[in-house]
Amino acid sequence: SSQLTQDPAVSVALGQTVRLTCQGDSLRSYYANWYQQKPGQAPVLVLFGKNIRPSGIPDRFSGSRSGNTASLTISGAQAEDEADYYCNSRDTSGDIWLFGGGTKLTVL
Amino acid sequence: EVQLEQSGGEVKKPGESLKISCKTSGYTFTSYWIAWVRQMPGKGLEWMGIVFPGDSDTRYSPSLQGQVSMSVDKSISTAYLHWRSLKASDTAIYFCARQGDYGVAFDYWGQGTLVTVSS
Repeated sequence: SSQLTQDPAVSVALGQTVRLTCQGDSLRSYYANWYQQKPGQAPVLVLFGKNIRPSGIPDRFSGSRSGNTASLTISGAQAEDEADYYCNSRDTSGDIWLFGGGTKLTVL
Repeated sequence: EVQLEQSGGEVKKPGESLKISCKTSGYTFTSYWIAWVRQMPGKGLEWMGIVFPGDSDTRYSPSLQGQVSMSVDKSISTAYLHWRSLKASDTAIYFCARQGDYGVAFDYWGQGTLVTVSS
């Protein structure tokens, strides 16, 4: 079936590196995009395509893909990185889009 | 500067109809798909569908097919999300988002519209 699976919650110590993952069959064909959402705000695109950061996104955010799993790595997590993170890609048909269930990142 | 400005929050009763809007600026409206994304209270993002303003081509999530409709008004660079008959389960925040260059990701988002459906 077409779906993207993320861990519900992950924590990281301030300044450490954390990797968030997203699994799904469609990721064998399409890159994952990653969005950051803070409480009461709209999502913000932080990574898309083959590890591309939109303007203004810090270079501590990076991405990778292996098989059906995409990863978002935050190298040296900051307090302001505490947020919900969603992965997203087209489904295997290419006609519709999917979102993962989201990962709540806590920076300790 | 690309901007997507959504209409204000709505409080409606079950069975009522509703149309919310997403007014765009700063780019060629007819060249980029506009998606609608739902976020139910305390839940994650859910892709509802997408409309291409150039020719009004639409694609809907299979789980929402027939429950909502999407349209555009090219003359005012605005996209719309319609309900004919609201249900309490439609209570959510609705975001519009632009599908960016090469159709790869949703690069600009509206601020969201809170729709509350309650008797």
